Amino acid sequence: DIQMTQSPSSLSASVGDRVTITCRASQGISNSLAWYQQKPGKAPKLLLYAASILDSGVPSGFSGSGSGTDYTLTISSLQPEDFATYFCQQYDSTPGTFGQGTRLEIK
Amino acid sequence: EVQLLESGGGLVQPGGSLRLSCAASGFTFNTYAMSWVRQAPGKGLEWVSAISGGGGNTYYADSVKGRFTISRDNSKNTLYLQMNSLRAEDTAVYYCAKVKLEYQLLIYFDYWGQGTLVTVSS
Repeated sequence: DIQMTQSPSSLSASVGDRVTITCRASQGISNSLAWYQQKPGKAPKLLLYAASILDSGVPSGFSGSGSGTDYTLTISSLQPEDFATYFCQQYDSTPGTFGQGTRLEIK
Repeated sequence: EVQLLESGGGLVQPGGSLRLSCAASGFTFNTYAMSWVRQAPGKGLEWVSAISGGGGNTYYADSVKGRFTISRDNSKNTLYLQMNSLRAEDTAVYYCAKVKLEYQLLIYFDYWGQGTLVTVSS
């Protein structure tokens, strides 16, 4: 199985900050990467797929990039509603595997 | 509006069985693959199983293969997960999830249910 490693595991930031979360795959995944946001007690919400395509209705402050094994999620200016846990998921090979999550907290 | 509503979770003893259901609405159910994804308390996400839109193709994580069975009834717009020989490590919130693209099986998920908690404990 492809292992997905996110960093950092947790992050403290302030409203208005620019933050970047990294996801590294144990082998190349050909941009077959999605990012999800999860708030406590709620289901995950799809943010981006194909590494950089924003899902419908997702604010433009979210962006994704990367290639090969290394991918990033960037939030350009943190809003109060952005404090949550973020997961990456590779779907290049079965089983689709998730990163362990990055908890984004208010500083 | 797409809606996914899971049910069937609860407390079960090790070795026991449980059947989860996921009632879907708001989209053409039989053209979309569906998956079950679980999340142990305070942990990350783990894909469990997937089934094609017609039901003819199924996939399982190694951790549940031989114990869990995924199925669907397209006449009822309902997805199922039959879980047998349950273990403590199966304790989790189980989500049903819809893939974003028609006729694609193992990709990313654009809609998730609210989840149903399965607790395996004596």
